[in-house]
Amino acid sequence: TQLLEQSPQFLSIQEGENLTVYCNSSSVFSSLQWYRQEPGEGPVLLVTVVTGGEVKKLKRLTFQFGDARKDSSLHITAAQPGDTGLYLCAGHNAGGTSYGKLTFGQGTILTVHP
Amino acid sequence: GAGVSQSPSNKVTEKGKDVELRCDPISGHTALYWYRQSLGQGLEFLIYFQGNSAPDKSGLPSDRFSAERTGGSVSTLTIQRTQQEDSAVYLCASSLVSGISYEQYFGPGTRLTVT
Repeated sequence: TQLLEQSPQFLSIQEGENLTVYCNSSSVFSSLQWYRQEPGEGPVLLVTVVTGGEVKKLKRLTFQFGDARKDSSLHITAAQPGDTGLYLCAGHNAGGTSYGKLTFGQGTILTVHP
Repeated sequence: GAGVSQSPSNKVTEKGKDVELRCDPISGHTALYWYRQSLGQGLEFLIYFQGNSAPDKSGLPSDRFSAERTGGSVSTLTIQRTQQEDSAVYLCASSLVSGISYEQYFGPGTRLTVT
């Protein structure tokens, strides 16, 4: 069974601060995705990383995939209240009987105070 | 828009009743997934469809849960004899079967409350 450990579970910060969310596993993933979910809505895909060591930037968000493709991080610079939400990492393994199935971390609830 | 749609958006039912939740995926997406999410938590995988077949049913919590997909499109998740612990948000997602990333696109969910 593949597991993704996401930390921290809760994060409460002031506007303008930086933060990092971590996603770790003992398993190797073919790709890893980050989603953001707001109350009453489904998760929305932010980014997909597929190459070990890959770094992707989306405005103030920086995503990194570990060299061994077992871990990932999301860094937000100068957080804004609009960044508030539940952040989920999800890993995909292209092999085996779970082809197409994502393994989700337990999520990080981020609250950015004005 | 042509996103994933789910109905109903909210469902309140009495313990012991059966409920059906519907998912309409993005047109052309052959893979469809059902997840369950408790308040503020991560997603619990329930079942995955590739076309009309379900190669992975490993996440269904009990035999009270079943799902079907017809015509490679709409899917229905059925919960029989509902229990209070079934209360959660049920999310559906769809994806293309291509590449290695299997990016999933989610519907807004059905909030199920069992009283």
